[in-house]
Amino acid sequence: SQTIHQWPATLVQPVGSPLSLECTVEGTSNPNLYWYRQAAGRGLQLLFYSVGIGQISSEVPQNLSASRPQDRQFILSSKKLLLSDSGFYLCAWSVTLMRGQETQYFGPGTRLLVL
Amino acid sequence: DAKTTQPNSMESNEEEPVHLPCNHSTISGTDYIHWYRQLPSQGPEYVIHGLTSNVNNRMASLAIAEDRKSSTLILHRATLRDAAVYYCIPPYAGGTSYGKLTFGQGTILTVHP
Repeated sequence: SQTIHQWPATLVQPVGSPLSLECTVEGTSNPNLYWYRQAAGRGLQLLFYSVGIGQISSEVPQNLSASRPQDRQFILSSKKLLLSDSGFYLCAWSVTLMRGQETQYFGPGTRLLVL
Repeated sequence: DAKTTQPNSMESNEEEPVHLPCNHSTISGTDYIHWYRQLPSQGPEYVIHGLTSNVNNRMASLAIAEDRKSSTLILHRATLRDAAVYYCIPPYAGGTSYGKLTFGQGTILTVHP
């Protein structure tokens, strides 16, 4: 069966510090991978998606970046965190099916607090 | 892109059925409707999806109107564990096959014991 891991589970970082969040998927090959952010009391916002190694698309301009160094590894990074980067970061995966029928599976998330 | 409209919140009693509505009046003929839910402090989880006819799975049923402009997620017997935010997801636009989900505010379901 497929599983998705995210770490760390929680993180408190000072403003201006770097960030690296990791997501890995097991039990599937060539998944589509996604990073979402959920600010407190808000809906989920898609940040990045990737359909293959080294292929990253950004949905929202920001000071975050994403990388996919391996097939089932997705990393979210920042060189200098802002207060507004606080939130609940979720990684998700899916496999390509007929258009419109794809299901995404979410990880447990990382709670980031920038102080 | 098609847009969806859901009530901000709904309440139910335990072991009673719950009908969660969603309007998607701009949906096109080949667009699927997906529902996800997010339990407190967790990531969203897939619930169900459908195109034209009603769909059932172990979690819920999805009733899609004949004109496809609205749908209703049905929890046949609500439990306390069903308390969550329920999202009716509009279909994504574009010619790619990967799913770009757009999450709105959803419906906050409260289940009373």
